[in-house]
Amino acid sequence: DARVTQTPRDKVTEMGQEVTMRCQPILGHNTVFWYRQTMMQGLELLAYFRNRAPLDDSGMPKDRFSAEMPDATLATLKIQPSEPRDSAVYFCASGLEGQGALSYGYTFGSGTRLTVV
Amino acid sequence: AQSVSQHNHHVILSEAASLELGCNYSYGGTVNLFWYVQYPGQHLQLLLKYFSGDPLVKGIKGFEAEFIKSKFSFNLRKPSVQWSDTAEYFCAVKEGSQGNLIFGKGTKLSVKP
Repeated sequence: DARVTQTPRDKVTEMGQEVTMRCQPILGHNTVFWYRQTMMQGLELLAYFRNRAPLDDSGMPKDRFSAEMPDATLATLKIQPSEPRDSAVYFCASGLEGQGALSYGYTFGSGTRLTVV
Repeated sequence: AQSVSQHNHHVILSEAASLELGCNYSYGGTVNLFWYVQYPGQHLQLLLKYFSGDPLVKGIKGFEAEFIKSKFSFNLRKPSVQWSDTAEYFCAVKEGSQGNLIFGKGTKLSVKP
């Protein structure tokens, strides 16, 4: 089965440090979403890319978060500087979106569990 | 802004009971609808999806969902649950061609053996 690969699986870092999370979408998929999951807030959308271009990153705190797709096989989410409130599981999902409003569904990666101490 | 409401936070059922989880959304245009399941400690997995056509959609593991456009609803059902269905279930809505994929808060399902 094709899968979305996220690295690292777990990350513990000190407050103020830079954190970079990586996502390898499924080959041929043209869409990537980044989500943050916490008990209190559930799944929050951080960023949405299609064909490597950001369509929406309004859910992302711009002062410390950034998301990029340097190429079609890699999406990155960076936090600089990290804070304890950033502790969460970060998921990446990829999908194939067709003409008009057609979407074929999205596959999630296993997530990166981030703990900022 | 688009929102997705899942009415039940936690549902507890005995094995073989029937299940229905509610999902309502607020977007009035073309939507794609999804149900995902998340087993403890794991990532989200797609249960089923609706794009167009027959509003009754069948998914994996015996789940189905019905899209009722007039009610902006996409409820998930299963006739007889098993202990292994214990998980959290998320409804998601994709609005239009460039809209975001928005998730509800999730419903925890606990099935007692």
